[in-house]
Amino acid sequence: QQQVKQSPQSLIVQKGGISIINCAYENTAFDYFPWYQQFPGKGPALLIAIRPDVSEKKEGRFTISFNKSAKQFSLHIMDSQPGDSATYFCAAKYRGSQGNLIFGKGTKLSVKP
Amino acid sequence: NAGVMQNPRHLVRRRGQEARLRCSPMKGHSHVYWYRQLPEEGLKFMVYLQKENIIDESGMPKERFSAEFPKEGPSILRIQQVVRGDSAAYFCASLRDTEAFFGQGTRLTVV
Repeated sequence: QQQVKQSPQSLIVQKGGISIINCAYENTAFDYFPWYQQFPGKGPALLIAIRPDVSEKKEGRFTISFNKSAKQFSLHIMDSQPGDSATYFCAAKYRGSQGNLIFGKGTKLSVKP
Repeated sequence: NAGVMQNPRHLVRRRGQEARLRCSPMKGHSHVYWYRQLPEEGLKFMVYLQKENIIDESGMPKERFSAEFPKEGPSILRIQQVVRGDSAAYFCASLRDTEAFFGQGTRLTVV
C-alpha cells in the first residue's frame, strides 16, 4: 500500500514557467511534509518542508501549498530554470520522534531552455 | 560541519559475498535512517536506528539484511550472501529534530 502518492511521474516545463508537483496521503498520523531534490548520482537534499498547521510556505522560488482537509500538498517552482532539472520527492513523517519518513515515488522534472 | 558521510561510495561484490555499508551521521545526531533506491525509482524505507537501538525495521528484508548503530562509530548496514537483486543505491540520513539529511549513498553492484 502506497502511503504517499506523487504525480506526475515526469514533467517538462519551459524556462521561466511554473512547475507543479502534487502529493496525496491517507494517514492522518503524518505531521511533517518535506520535499527533497535529487540530482543524478547524488543523495536527496532537503528543499523545503511544512507542517499541517499552515497552508502555505514559501522559500525563494519554491512554495509548498498544503490542504489538510483534502490530505494533499504540492510543490510549486516559480520561474523554473534549467538548473532545477532533477528528481523531486515528497515525503511524510509520522508524528513523534519515533516516526519514520515515507517517500513518494518521485517526479523527474526537465526544464527546457 | 561535515555532512553525512557514507562509505564506500561504490562497492562491487560477487554473488554470495557480504556487503558492509557505513554511515557516519552529522555531529550530534543520534538517529539514522537507511533507504534503498533502485534506478529510476523512489526511496524505499529500510530501517530507523537510534544509537544502540532499532526503532523501526519494518522495511528490512527478513533474511540476509541487518543494521546496527553502536554507541561509538558509524552505523552499519550489512547484507549477507548478496544476490543480483541487491544491486541498488543505499542511502542513509541522519536526523536533527524532524529534518533528515542524506549522505551521497553507496552504490552496490553484485556481479
